Amino acid sequence: AQSVSQHNHHVILSEAASLELGCNYSYGGTVNLFWYVQYPGQHLQLLLKYFSGDPLVKGIKGFEAEFIKSKFSFNLRKPSVQWSDTAEYFCAVSRNRDDKIIFGKGTRLHILP
Amino acid sequence: DGGITQSPKYLFRKEGQNVTLSCEQNLNHDAMYWYRQDPGQGLRLIYYSQIVNDFQKGDIAEGYSVSREKKESFPLTVTSAQKNPTAFYLCATTLGQIMNTEAFFGQGTRLTVV
Repeated sequence: AQSVSQHNHHVILSEAASLELGCNYSYGGTVNLFWYVQYPGQHLQLLLKYFSGDPLVKGIKGFEAEFIKSKFSFNLRKPSVQWSDTAEYFCAVSRNRDDKIIFGKGTRLHILP
Repeated sequence: DGGITQSPKYLFRKEGQNVTLSCEQNLNHDAMYWYRQDPGQGLRLIYYSQIVNDFQKGDIAEGYSVSREKKESFPLTVTSAQKNPTAFYLCATTLGQIMNTEAFFGQGTRLTVV
């Protein structure tokens, strides 16, 4: 079955720590990749996306993600997190232009001040 | 002020009752979607509509119904047949008729069955 796996359900870090959230998918072929973020009390919003081209994608608020096709991965990174990064992060994948987006189960990130 | 409006924000329902969740958008987007979000489950697609007067079942459509009579509106009815309706419901839109472009989400409706 097609799936998206986020390895960490709950991550706790101190401010200024580096962050990497894992995401793997099980589709073959061409994929479109997304990271969405849901800050407390706010709506879900797009953090970054990859459709083609440079596999290193930069998003808002200093986040970036790297698409590694051979590993079926699209990990999210940030070199130095802030308290305001506390949120739930969702990886999502779509397989082709007519397909729906499949979401991972989410990772709750808690940053200690 | 453009965006997606979901109402109400909180909703309580007695067992055995149907309830309708509202989703309105003024983004002029073609496609609209309903997701259900449960802790530790991610987002699961209930129904989606790519054009007016047409909609398709998602992965967990049983116990739900929708309509798309206007481009701006995509209400979701949670029927008494839905066995576990307590959840957070999210409405989303995309500019085109496919969902591999960026999706925009409403703020959600939290439904509690009492």
